[in-house]
Amino acid sequence: QVQLQQWGAGRLKPSETLSLTCTVFGGSFSGYYWNWIRQPPGKGLEWVGEINYSGNTNYNPSLKSRLSISIDTSKNQFSLTLTSLTAADTAVYYCARGNVFFDNWGQGTPVTVSS
Amino acid sequence: DIQMTQSPPSVSASVGDRVTITCRASQNINNRLAWYQQQPGKAPKLLIYAASSLQSGVPSRFSGSGSGTDFIFTIYSLQPEDFATYYCHQAYSFPRSFGQGTKVEIK
Repeated sequence: QVQLQQWGAGRLKPSETLSLTCTVFGGSFSGYYWNWIRQPPGKGLEWVGEINYSGNTNYNPSLKSRLSISIDTSKNQFSLTLTSLTAADTAVYYCARGNVFFDNWGQGTPVTVSS
Repeated sequence: DIQMTQSPPSVSASVGDRVTITCRASQNINNRLAWYQQQPGKAPKLLIYAASSLQSGVPSRFSGSGSGTDFIFTIYSLQPEDFATYYCHQAYSFPRSFGQGTKVEIK
C-alpha cells in the first residue's frame, strides 16, 4: 500500500520561499511521475507540476518562473520550491502519484502567505 | 491550455437518487479523463480513470462515460457517504487541468 507523507512550513510572508517535501512509503518509487497539486481556500484544484525518477519535470506555465521540483531517489522523496510568494499562493498543497491519473495522494499541507 | 467546464456547480439530491455530472473539454482529449471525489478537509480520491474505468476498490454505483470532448459521471443510488465535491481532470496535455467541481448536497 503506497502512502505519501508530506511536510513543510505552513505560514510564510510575501516574497518568501515555500519548501515542501513528500516522502513515499511502500510501492515502487521509480516508474512513476510525482506531482504537486494545490487548492486555494474554497476553490478548485490546480496542477502545479511533476517530476519522475530520472529528474524529468513538467511545470504549470503559470508558475514556471518561480517553481522548482526536485527528487531524492535515495530517500524516496520529492520536493517543491516556490519563490517570491504572494497571497495568491495561499492554498493546501498536495503531493500525488500519477503518470497520467493521480491514484495516491498525500494528506495535504495548508500554506498561508500573509504579512 | 485545455479548459474543463463542469456542470452543474452544485446539485441537491436524496439518498437513493441518481446523480449525473457533465464535463466538457475545450478540445479533444480522447479518453484521458478522470473523476475524483473530495470530502471536506480531505485529499481527493480517484474514482474513475480513462473516462470509464473504475478504480480498484471503488463501488460499482460510480460510473463514467464519454470520449473526445464530452463526458458524464453518474452515481447510481446515492449513499450518505457520497455527499462530497467531485472534480473531472484531463490528462491529455500539459498543463493538466481540472473542472471547477460539483458539490453534491443533501436535499
